[in-house]
Amino acid sequence: EVQLVESGGGLVQPGGSLRLSCTTSGFTFPNYWMIWVRQAPGKGLEWVANIKQDGFEKYSVDSVKDRFTISRDNAKNSLFLQMRGLRADDTAIYYCAAGSVVRGILHWGQGTLVTVSS
Amino acid sequence: DIVMTQTPLSLPVTPGEPASISCRSSQSLLSSDDGNTYLDWYLQKPGQSPQLLIYMVSHRPSGVPDRFSASGSGTDFTLKISRVEAEDVGVYYCMQRVEFRWTFGQGTKVEIK
Repeated sequence: EVQLVESGGGLVQPGGSLRLSCTTSGFTFPNYWMIWVRQAPGKGLEWVANIKQDGFEKYSVDSVKDRFTISRDNAKNSLFLQMRGLRADDTAIYYCAAGSVVRGILHWGQGTLVTVSS
Repeated sequence: DIVMTQTPLSLPVTPGEPASISCRSSQSLLSSDDGNTYLDWYLQKPGQSPQLLIYMVSHRPSGVPDRFSASGSGTDFTLKISRVEAEDVGVYYCMQRVEFRWTFGQGTKVEIK
């Protein structure tokens, strides 16, 4: 059974930091692009960042560039998102996901809620 | 970044009737590298994580009912449900992957009349 389990979310003050983790099982992690997608309360999906299988190619949406860093550990089948300089508009459910170039985003986690508020 | 625009944003449907959602991109989703078109459709049912419905314009993963079909090319794409069922309610998103900086459409909320 494919599982992606996010952790590390919570309440943080503006300007603070959080590190999200995603632990996976049930599929060959090193073979997949890994992605973070977020969803602000009552809003649509927003792609945040993705990272290629080798961990060297990374891309992120402009609004988080220079503040968020995506990384992965293929030996531990895990994905991470280091978030710094958090702002109120970063408040969202953050989903970890796995995909392929051909077939899109195949597997999704249940999400972890990040709330940025004083 | 490529902007994805979906219409309509809200779609009341009658069970057993067809439904259609459009998605338009601000630039072509045809890859000049490999000739593939990278447009997917996802469904987020109430209280759930999104799930893949269609990849690369018209390919349906195993397990997705055949009442879902999709087509399109270049910048204009369509998702069709031949006969809507109650379990199809939720928000449908198109997403482009022709560039590595992916983008979603705003979402179309499908609900039963």
